[in-house]
Amino acid sequence: DIVMTQSPDSLAVSLGERATINCKSSQSVLFNSNNKNYLTWYQHKPGQPPKLLIYWASTRESGVPDRFSGSGSGTDFTLTISSLQAEDVAVYYCHQYFRTPYTFGQGTRVEIK
Amino acid sequence: QVQLVESGGGVVQPGSSLRLSCAASGFTLSNHPLHWVRQAPGKGLEWVAVTSFDGSNQFYADSVKGRFTISRDTSKNTVFVQMDSLRTEDTAVYFCARGIGVALAGPLDHWGQGTRVTVSS
Repeated sequence: DIVMTQSPDSLAVSLGERATINCKSSQSVLFNSNNKNYLTWYQHKPGQPPKLLIYWASTRESGVPDRFSGSGSGTDFTLTISSLQAEDVAVYYCHQYFRTPYTFGQGTRVEIK
Repeated sequence: QVQLVESGGGVVQPGSSLRLSCAASGFTLSNHPLHWVRQAPGKGLEWVAVTSFDGSNQFYADSVKGRFTISRDTSKNTVFVQMDSLRTEDTAVYFCARGIGVALAGPLDHWGQGTRVTVSS
């Protein structure tokens, strides 16, 4: 199985500052035939379903603010929130859909400092 | 608009069975794969299972393989997960989620609100 490891487990960032979350996969999730990374990022708030933010590692879902961006390829990925807002407090998960069983990272909790 | 509504959760004893339903509206379920994802109390998200757009393929997490069975009823636009031999570690909120497009491998763009399953003696 592909193991997804996120870092850090939690971080506290001041409003308006940058938040960076890393995700490392135990195997490459880059599909060479289409040059796509099979990696998504979700935002999860208590009492709500997860929300898709980023897919194919760097494509922003429609309606997601442009302060959210994804980067990386192969085994190393990053989610960046360029200017943290109060409504961004949540747990963020990376998720690989390259090979079943599809797997999530353990989550990164983002809080306001 | 696209909507997924889970039902069927409850409190059951270890070793028993439960069937969860995921009713879809606002789109045709047979054009998308459908996943189940769960979150145990105080834990992160865990992918559970997926059925392909046409129901011809199903895949499972190792933790539920052989005990859970995912299926779909196209006429009712509904997907089910039959959960047998339930264990205390299956206690979780279960979400169904739609995959984008018809390909099995893809992001999950719409999620239900979840249904809670508690396995306890």
